[in-house]
Amino acid sequence: QKEVEQDPGPLSVPEGAIVSLNCTYSNSAFQYFMWYRQYSRKGPELLMYTYSSGNKEDGRFTAQVDKSSKYISLFIRDSQPSDSATYLCAMSAGGGFKTIFGAGTRLFVKA
Amino acid sequence: KAGVTQTPRYLIKTRGQQVTLSCSPISGHRSVSWYQQTPGQGLQFLFEYFSETQRNKGNFPGRFSGRQFSNSRSEMNVSTLELGDSALYLCASSSDAGEKPYEQYFGPGTRLTVT
Repeated sequence: QKEVEQDPGPLSVPEGAIVSLNCTYSNSAFQYFMWYRQYSRKGPELLMYTYSSGNKEDGRFTAQVDKSSKYISLFIRDSQPSDSATYLCAMSAGGGFKTIFGAGTRLFVKA
Repeated sequence: KAGVTQTPRYLIKTRGQQVTLSCSPISGHRSVSWYQQTPGQGLQFLFEYFSETQRNKGNFPGRFSGRQFSNSRSEMNVSTLELGDSALYLCASSSDAGEKPYEQYFGPGTRLTVT
């Protein structure tokens, strides 16, 4: 079993829809939870990160962490065609431990 | 500030050959991490170097090796290439990835194709 599980999709939604992306994990030591966005032929770029549990909002993006269920989510409101990309979750225990990435979910937002 | 640069961007090699990839981190960053990205496995951690020392290592065979120079530039080497080594190799730069795992800046990657 992988430490981080993420459905690779693809996920196709119409413009303006609310998108929900999710990851589950097995390592209870994880404290840092990140979401990266990767456009075609580019490297991943950090969208948001959360330390420990709770929610974090940044514009149209909201990240949620539920440590009791070992489940994290990224919500995208009012999705735009420019949001079409691969979204990767990533987690780390910090303190020098390596970061573990999910497989990435390919998202297509249709105009 | 210039971003992370990786060279070459594309590479085609034959099975059995070896290859060296290069990464120049953001100025002032001392940590460089390498990842392999494939459609089936996603992003997998290879190793991290900090101040010329390997600080973390992933679960890859010994054919994969790396090093970091005093100017923080890093190289990774893959010997005896196999078809399964075809992937996008990403380098990530950080002031200290151990203390701030969210503060990793990725380069555009090197696309390696093994035939």
